[in-house]
Amino acid sequence: EPEVTQTPSHQVTQMGQEVILRCVPISNHLYFYWYRQILGQKVEFLVSFYNNEISEKSEIFDDQFSVERPDGSNFTLKIRSTKLEDSAMYFCASSEGPGSGDDYEQYFGPGTRLTVT
Amino acid sequence: AQSVTQPDIHITVSEGASLELRCNYSYGATPYLFWYVQSPGQGLQLLLKYFSGDTLVQGIKGFEAEFKRSQSSFNLRKPSVHWSDAAEYFCAVAPTGFQKLVFGTGTRLLVSP
Repeated sequence: EPEVTQTPSHQVTQMGQEVILRCVPISNHLYFYWYRQILGQKVEFLVSFYNNEISEKSEIFDDQFSVERPDGSNFTLKIRSTKLEDSAMYFCASSEGPGSGDDYEQYFGPGTRLTVT
Repeated sequence: AQSVTQPDIHITVSEGASLELRCNYSYGATPYLFWYVQSPGQGLQLLLKYFSGDTLVQGIKGFEAEFKRSQSSFNLRKPSVHWSDAAEYFCAVAPTGFQKLVFGTGTRLLVSP
């Protein structure tokens, strides 16, 4: 069964460093998302991406964050200068798009745990 | 703004007993409704979803949920809980199919022998 994959599973970085979190969405999916979950808290939306541009972003997604689909398979989240409060589990998700029965379902990857020290 | 309320932070159920997890949402129209499960250290797995039609929806692992428009609720149920159901359960809503999911704070289910 197709699945969303994310690398690395765990990333440790120092405050102020740049990190890139990588995701490979399901191959025929058209919508891509990033969410984060700070330890013990709820899952929060960061950004959605469709047709090679951001379709929606949250207040959390400030100028320190960016997303990119550099090729036909990868979807990345970059944090330019990490802060301690960026420590969280980051989930990538994807969904198909209009025209099929399960097009609204967002499939989540296993997450990348980011620890900023 | 949309919001999702899961009033129970923790629930403990005996194995074999029935389960109901509560979810209420605040939104002007009927949103798309979802229940996800997260096992420790794992990602989010979709249990079931409601878009329209029959208000009682069946999901995986023997779960079902009932949409009640009058109560703005989408409660998750299971008739007989298994020890492997111990996990965190999140209710989520989206205004349309492709927009962001807004999650509740989650309910941690503990299953006692």
